[in-house]
Amino acid sequence: EIVLTQSPGTLSLSPGERATLSCRASQSVSSSYLAWYQQKPGQAPRLLIYGASSRATGIPDRFSGSGSGTDFTLTISRLEPEDFAVYYCQQYGSSPETFGQGTKVEIK
Amino acid sequence: EVQLVESGGGLVQPGGSLRLSCAASGFTFSSYSMNWVRQAPGKGLEWVSYISSSSSTIYYADSVKGRFTISRDNAKNSLYLQMNSLRAEDTAVYYCARGLGNFDLWGRGTLVTVSS
Repeated sequence: EIVLTQSPGTLSLSPGERATLSCRASQSVSSSYLAWYQQKPGQAPRLLIYGASSRATGIPDRFSGSGSGTDFTLTISRLEPEDFAVYYCQQYGSSPETFGQGTKVEIK
Repeated sequence: EVQLVESGGGLVQPGGSLRLSCAASGFTFSSYSMNWVRQAPGKGLEWVSYISSSSSTIYYADSVKGRFTISRDNAKNSLYLQMNSLRAEDTAVYYCARGLGNFDLWGRGTLVTVSS
């Protein structure tokens, strides 16, 4: 099973700042089958990015994904108040699909 | 409106059973693969089970294999998870999620608590 390690655990930033979240895989993720989700308290996760860099429907362009192999990054170019949440990466190139432990982006 | 709505959660004793349902609306349910994903209180996400659009392919996480059964009824636009031999570590919010690989639509979840 591929283990995904997200860093940092918590990111403390102010609105308007840039957020850079990392997701490292224990093995290469085939075909860049890597997704990112946002989850707010009491809500279901929402798909942001799939295929490592493709934005899901309706996702603002301040969210971008990059990376390949074992190292992936989610970047939020300018944090809006509604972006403070927990973010999870997920690999779906190998069975079983696995998630990272999450990065919390909190207001500084 | 495109949505998924889970039901059937609740409090159950260890060793007990529970059947979760997920009602789909606003899209052609029979065209999509579906999944169950769970989240223990204060923890991260764990994929539980997958079923293809025609039910021909089914997968389970090792943690639930032999205890949980996924199924669907395309005529009723519904997804199910039969959970037997429940353990304390199965306590979680259970989400149904649409998709093959990545999950582009999620329900709000239903809480399953396994406790005596």
